[in-house]
Amino acid sequence: SQTIHQWPATLVQPVGSPLSLECTVEGTSNPNLYWYRQAAGRGLQLLFYSVGIGQISSEVPQNLSASRPQDRQFILSSKKLLLSDSGFYLCAWSVDSNTEAFFGQGTRLTVV
Amino acid sequence: KQEVTQIPAALSVPEGENLVLNCSFTDSAIYNLQWFRQDPGKGLTSLLLIQSSQREQTSGRLNASLDKSSGRSTLYIAASQPGDSATYLCAVVYSGAGSYQLTFGKGTKLSVIP
Repeated sequence: SQTIHQWPATLVQPVGSPLSLECTVEGTSNPNLYWYRQAAGRGLQLLFYSVGIGQISSEVPQNLSASRPQDRQFILSSKKLLLSDSGFYLCAWSVDSNTEAFFGQGTRLTVV
Repeated sequence: KQEVTQIPAALSVPEGENLVLNCSFTDSAIYNLQWFRQDPGKGLTSLLLIQSSQREQTSGRLNASLDKSSGRSTLYIAASQPGDSATYLCAVVYSGAGSYQLTFGKGTKLSVIP
């Protein structure tokens, strides 16, 4: 069966520090991968998606970047965190448009 | 641009009551619609997926319907239990920029009172 792993679960980082969040999927090949952010009082915002290795699309201009170095690995990064980067980050995967999307357990990021 | 709205934002019901959560979307050219549950501080758990060609899907006490032409979906929960307390999110998939993206509503926070 397929599983998705996301870590760390919580993270407190100072302003200006770098960020690396990792997401891996098991049990499937060539999944679509997604990074979402959920800020307090707001809905889930799609940040990045990837349909294959090295293929990244950005939805919202921001202080973040994403990479997909391997088929089932998706990384969210920042060189210098801002206070506004605080939020709940969720990784997700799907096979295609007609199948379910599955989410990881999320990373609570607090920038101080 | 696809917009998804969920009403009400919060709902409190006594245990045992049947209830309906609403979801509407502005662009009817969707591939499917998915309902999720989110417990506080946790990720999303998929509840039901309705393909664009389907009218409804059922899983246990849950029944989701889809009226694509009117841009609406409902999630019906029968005989509610305190364990159903959570935020329920609806999301649609439509083709945007070459990929299949989920667009979410802001959710309905459900509280089932024992």
